[in-house]
Amino acid sequence: EVQLVESGGGLVQPGGSLRLSCAASGLSVSSNYMMWVRQAPGKGLEWVSLISRGGDTYYADSVKGRFTISRDNSKNMFYLQVNSLRSEDTARYYCGRVTTWGLGTMVIVSS
Amino acid sequence: DIVMTQTPLSLSVTPGQPASISCKSSQSLLHRDGKTYLYWLLQKPGQSPHLLIFEVSNQFSGVPDRFSGSGSGTVFTLKISRVEAEDVGVYYCMQTIQFPWTFGQGTKVEIK
Repeated sequence: EVQLVESGGGLVQPGGSLRLSCAASGLSVSSNYMMWVRQAPGKGLEWVSLISRGGDTYYADSVKGRFTISRDNSKNMFYLQVNSLRSEDTARYYCGRVTTWGLGTMVIVSS
Repeated sequence: DIVMTQTPLSLSVTPGQPASISCKSSQSLLHRDGKTYLYWLLQKPGQSPHLLIFEVSNQFSGVPDRFSGSGSGTVFTLKISRVEAEDVGVYYCMQTIQFPWTFGQGTKVEIK
């Protein structure tokens, strides 16, 4: 069974940083494109970032230059380093691929 | 960026009746490989999204037969042949032909 589990969310002040993690089981992160999608409270889904099988990375304009996606094949995990956080980054962050989603981890940016 | 526009944004349906959601993309989602990269997802209340339909009309594993997708190019439709109480939630279309991937605004389906 494919399972994805996010962690690393929390309350952070504006300008702060977090590293979100996604632990995968039942699939190999190195053999799949893996993405992060976020959902602000009461809002719709927003695609954030993706890392391809070949390691190419892609970002939404709203996070480019502030967020970095990466993966650790040996741990079968991938990550989202989120820097220079703004109040508008407050959201639940889901990791996964189109066919499989985690439960998400909540990031709250507030002073 | 490709803009995905869903209509309607909300829908109230009597159980057993059909429902239909439209999704229009600002650019064609037909790739030169012959596939059309349009997906439908459902987010039930309090849950993560999950995939219903991939590449316009293919039912994902475990999805009930009452869900079907159709369309081509820039115009797509999700149909529920007979709505059941468990179908409540927000339905999203999504394109993956071009980065950034984008979602429709979502259509909230409620039961009358």
